[in-house]
Amino acid sequence: DAGVIQSPRHEVTEMGQEVTLRCKPISGHNSLFWYRQTMMRGLELLIYFNNNVPIDDSGMPEDRFSAKMPNASFSTLKIQPSEPRDSAVYFCASSGGVRGADTQYFGPGTRLTVL
Amino acid sequence: AQSVTQPDIHITVSEGASLELRCNYSYGATPYLFWYVQSPGQGLQLLLKYFSGDTLVQGIKGFEAEFKRSQSSFNLRKPSVHWSDAAEYFCAVVPSNTGFQKLVFGTGTRLLVSP
Repeated sequence: DAGVIQSPRHEVTEMGQEVTLRCKPISGHNSLFWYRQTMMRGLELLIYFNNNVPIDDSGMPEDRFSAKMPNASFSTLKIQPSEPRDSAVYFCASSGGVRGADTQYFGPGTRLTVL
Repeated sequence: AQSVTQPDIHITVSEGASLELRCNYSYGATPYLFWYVQSPGQGLQLLLKYFSGDTLVQGIKGFEAEFKRSQSSFNLRKPSVHWSDAAEYFCAVVPSNTGFQKLVFGTGTRLLVSP
């Protein structure tokens, strides 16, 4: 199994540019999560999809952030316009169930640097 | 307030020595409990989880954790640490009343292994 795939692994951009992060969940998983990791705030959930539908986006920091899941095998997290404070590692995770005890499998992350 | 606390930011142990990483939670009902490990530049990997039953949980890589309801704790242990265990360890919970898998992470403990 290929696991959760994220691209790009590293992204360096300038303030004001649009950034798109991509995620391919594990085949057969029906839940997908986007997390952000920073030194100041640690790991925090941004948005959660179940069966391609956004269930909880209360962690999305502001309107500059948007996420989509057009099908079961692909999701994007977009930042437009980007700002230096968006610099972080963004993780995608997927799960095969919806119960609280179900395991989330994490991708390797995308390290975003906004100059 | 609901929270997950990992009181140790850094821990250094000698190779071959035993290890205990602390985790305390503050939730009204016992949440689902997880330990994840993050190696440098990598995503998070699940070590073990607890949601019911035997309070001593066995995980991968020789790790175990014990749930103690009276202390609201879920400490991670390993009897003999290997150099490859050097990483960051995150305790996480899914509150049992959220209805979905909203992982809430502690701030992490960085483990250093000395020769």
